[in-house]
Amino acid sequence: AQRVTQPEKLLSVFKGAPVELKCNYSYSGSPELFWYVQYSRQRLQLLLRHISRESIKGFTADLNKGETSFHLKKPFAQEEDSAMYYCALTLGNQGGKLIFGQGTELSVKP
Amino acid sequence: GAGVSQSPSNKVTEKGKDVELRCDPISGHTALYWYRQSLGQGLEFLIYFQGNSAPDKSGLPSDRFSAERTGGSVSTLTIQRTQQEDSAVYLCASSLVAFTDTQYFGPGTRLTVL
Repeated sequence: AQRVTQPEKLLSVFKGAPVELKCNYSYSGSPELFWYVQYSRQRLQLLLRHISRESIKGFTADLNKGETSFHLKKPFAQEEDSAMYYCALTLGNQGGKLIFGQGTELSVKP
Repeated sequence: GAGVSQSPSNKVTEKGKDVELRCDPISGHTALYWYRQSLGQGLEFLIYFQGNSAPDKSGLPSDRFSAERTGGSVSTLTIQRTQQEDSAVYLCASSLVAFTDTQYFGPGTRLTVL
C-alpha cells in the first residue's frame, strides 16, 4: 500500500536558521508529491507540488525517486513559517485522492 | 471568489445519533473529496465524487458512513449511529477536475460524539 512518512512530529528552529522537513514515501510507480500547510486557525492549503518545481515563500522541495523522498527546505526560517506541514501523494489513476503523512509541526522561535 | 464552505463548523452529538455534514464546493469544481482528521489517524481520505458519481468510496470506515452529491455541487456526509471514535474534524475539498488538479480545502466540521 502507498504510504507517506514524516518522521518528525515537531521541529523547532530559531529564526534565520535553515529548516528541512523530511518526507519519505513508499510507492513503486510515479506518484505526484505535494506539501500542504495549515497555519493556526486557518484551513489546509497547498504550499507546493513537485510537478510545478516552484519556490513558494522561500520553500523548495526536490523529488528524489532513488531515495523515495520529497523533503521540504528553506534556507532561512521566519517566525511566520510556524505551522503544521503535511506531505502528501496522489496517484493519477485513483482520482486524485491524497494520501497524507502524519504531519510535522514547525516552530520558529525568535 | 468564495472558497469551499462547510457546515456546521462544530457539531456535538450523543452516541447513537445520526449526523449530517454539509460541503459547498467552489463553483464550477467537478471533483469533491471528503477527508477526516483525527488525533490517532492523521488525515485520511474517505470518499471522492466526480460530478454526482462516487468512483472511490474505499476510505469510508464502515457502512454507518455514507455520502451523496446532488446537482454536481453540494455534498452531504452522513454518519449513522455515531460512535465516540467518529469524533474528528471532517474536511471537504474540491478541485476543477479529479486526478491531479489542486484541491482547495474547506474549514472543516469538528464533530464531537459524547
